[in-house]
Amino acid sequence: ETGVTQSPTHLIKTRGQQVTLRCSSQSGHNTVSWYQQALGQGPQFIFQYYREEENGRGNFPPRFSGLQFPNYSSELNVNALELDDSALYLCASSWGSSGRGTGELFFGEGSRLTVL
Amino acid sequence: RKEVEQDPGPFNVPEGATVAFNCTYSNSASQSFFWYRQDCRKEPKLLMSVYSSGNEDGRFTAQLNRASQYISLLIRDSKLSDSATYLCVGAGNEKLTFGTGTRLTIIP
Repeated sequence: ETGVTQSPTHLIKTRGQQVTLRCSSQSGHNTVSWYQQALGQGPQFIFQYYREEENGRGNFPPRFSGLQFPNYSSELNVNALELDDSALYLCASSWGSSGRGTGELFFGEGSRLTVL
Repeated sequence: RKEVEQDPGPFNVPEGATVAFNCTYSNSASQSFFWYRQDCRKEPKLLMSVYSSGNEDGRFTAQLNRASQYISLLIRDSKLSDSATYLCVGAGNEKLTFGTGTRLTIIP
């Protein structure tokens, strides 16, 4: 196991609702990244947090927002849910961005969101 | 065009065979490359790094050709436990860029 924990593991929401997903990073890691993985696709970068600041963002609208806390845990918030937001949301922790060049991010098992 | 492109498969290969995956990238911002493995309904995990000089780890060999913007993964003497989705990944600009993944099934 990676030591990265995510909650909830599964959830169902309806269009227009808001959702908050949570992530606890692996001990010793200071960077958290969030990825969206639609069915049959690779993970897509949403954003990254380092020292409680957003440190890079992918091509996602502002209704996707996040936080990082002093203990390096993180939240992903999605407002005004759309059907296409249905996906597996993966949190990954690392020491520095992209694992300081190692490319090794440690992923949690993800939160599977279904929007009806 | 996607930044990282790979054949989604599926590849159905008999146990013991050699299988090769290819991947191309278009984003020059990607400075380093990796292969990740993702088992069904599980999280991705780093398999190995990819270097221009080649990288071998047991039955697995990865290669990067920067001139052709081409990455490969070779699996020799395939095992049933190699069945998974293999994700080609570029790293740069604070993020990892994943390909769609190539699904591999090893057949007994």
